[in-house]
Amino acid sequence: EAGVTQFPSHSVIEKGQTVTLRCDPISGHDNLYWYRRVMGKEIKFLLHFVKESKQDESGMPNNRFLAERTGGTYSTLKVQPAELEDSGVYFCASSQDISAEKLFFGSGTQLSVL
Amino acid sequence: EDQVTQSPEALRLQEGESSSLNCSYTVSGLRGLFWYRQDPGKGPEFLFTLYSAGEEKEKERLKATLTKKESFLHITAPKPEDSATYLCAVVFYNQGGKLIFGQGTELSVKP
Repeated sequence: EAGVTQFPSHSVIEKGQTVTLRCDPISGHDNLYWYRRVMGKEIKFLLHFVKESKQDESGMPNNRFLAERTGGTYSTLKVQPAELEDSGVYFCASSQDISAEKLFFGSGTQLSVL
Repeated sequence: EDQVTQSPEALRLQEGESSSLNCSYTVSGLRGLFWYRQDPGKGPEFLFTLYSAGEEKEKERLKATLTKKESFLHITAPKPEDSATYLCAVVFYNQGGKLIFGQGTELSVKP
């Protein structure tokens, strides 16, 4: 069974540019989460999808971040325009049920904004 | 505010030298506490879920325990392949999959 896949694994962009991160969850997992870790800090929750609907987006830092999940399958996280403080590792995770009994994480996208 | 605190930040052990990692939390309404392992360049990998004080879970050389205020991850006779960052996270009732992570403990086991 394939795990959670994230693309790209690394992205280097300049301040003001746009970047789109993609996550393919485990097949059949209705719950999809985005987390990120900025330098020196703990991993922090960004948002949670149940199928194509946003269940909780309380962790999204500001309106420069836009997450979508088309058809309840893969998800994208767009940052536009990117700022220096957006640099970090963005993780996607998925689970079968909403209780978060067991989240499966992808390997993350390392985003560097210069 | 800090809700999940892990200690120590880093731990260096010799192979076979048992030790414990600590995760303390200052929250109420806790539904569950999770331990994850993270290797460099990888995402967190699930280890254990604990739900109530007194609960214990074991997997190979690892044993996780939970009290009302903290959790311990005991590592018995560690091997170099146990080297990784160990993350603790909590989730509250009515918060779905919103895990709150600690900063992690970076464990290094030397042969």
